[in-house]
Amino acid sequence: GAVVSQHPSRVICKSGTSVKIECRSLDFQATTMFWYRQFPKQSLMLMATSNEGSKATYEQGVEKDKFLINHASLTLSTLTVTSAHPEDSSFYICSAPWGGDPTDTQYFGPGTRLTVL
Amino acid sequence: DQQVKQNSPSLSVQEGRISILNCDYTNSMFDYFLWYKKYPAEGPTFLISISSIKDKNEDGRFTVFLNKSAKHLSLHIVPSQPGDSAVYFCAATFGNEKLTFGTGTRLTIIP
Repeated sequence: GAVVSQHPSRVICKSGTSVKIECRSLDFQATTMFWYRQFPKQSLMLMATSNEGSKATYEQGVEKDKFLINHASLTLSTLTVTSAHPEDSSFYICSAPWGGDPTDTQYFGPGTRLTVL
Repeated sequence: DQQVKQNSPSLSVQEGRISILNCDYTNSMFDYFLWYKKYPAEGPTFLISISSIKDKNEDGRFTVFLNKSAKHLSLHIVPSQPGDSAVYFCAATFGNEKLTFGTGTRLTIIP
């Protein structure tokens, strides 16, 4: 079965509201998880690295106050899009390294489609 | 369930030889396939893609082959260079849907 899950799979919200997306590793522990945003033409942007027990590491150009990341446990990381706007509409995908090495192979989550009206 | 599978977590190839990375998929709706390359501490970067209407796409040293009947694609790198050492992910999609990724293969090029 899938080893990394995301919830919800789809969400539609009004502009100005906040949306929380969960990423769970189902049968392994992940001290590190990665959050990506999928852009048109299938380009993938790394947004941030989620670290269990410490602050997330954000990539350049990603607003940490807008995209709040919390790595609550060894199996759960959440991404909260605060004050969402239509330009935030996208697919958000998480991944977790299954061998413990964050530079190694990864399990990707199934993605969350966010639509902001 | 894993709709996109990369069954080899690692591969070592001598510099100058051909590297072949394999990927299998189960969802017959997939009609567009991509390969990404990932260096440590970076996100995956797009490498090459192929539409289901083709069975081969070539870009310099990189060629992707698609066998729709077998639901199999492969990435060939020739000749392999040390800078090709990275983790390679295959991904698939259809329509305007999200990407579905394999778990990756770590390629090590031996000088």
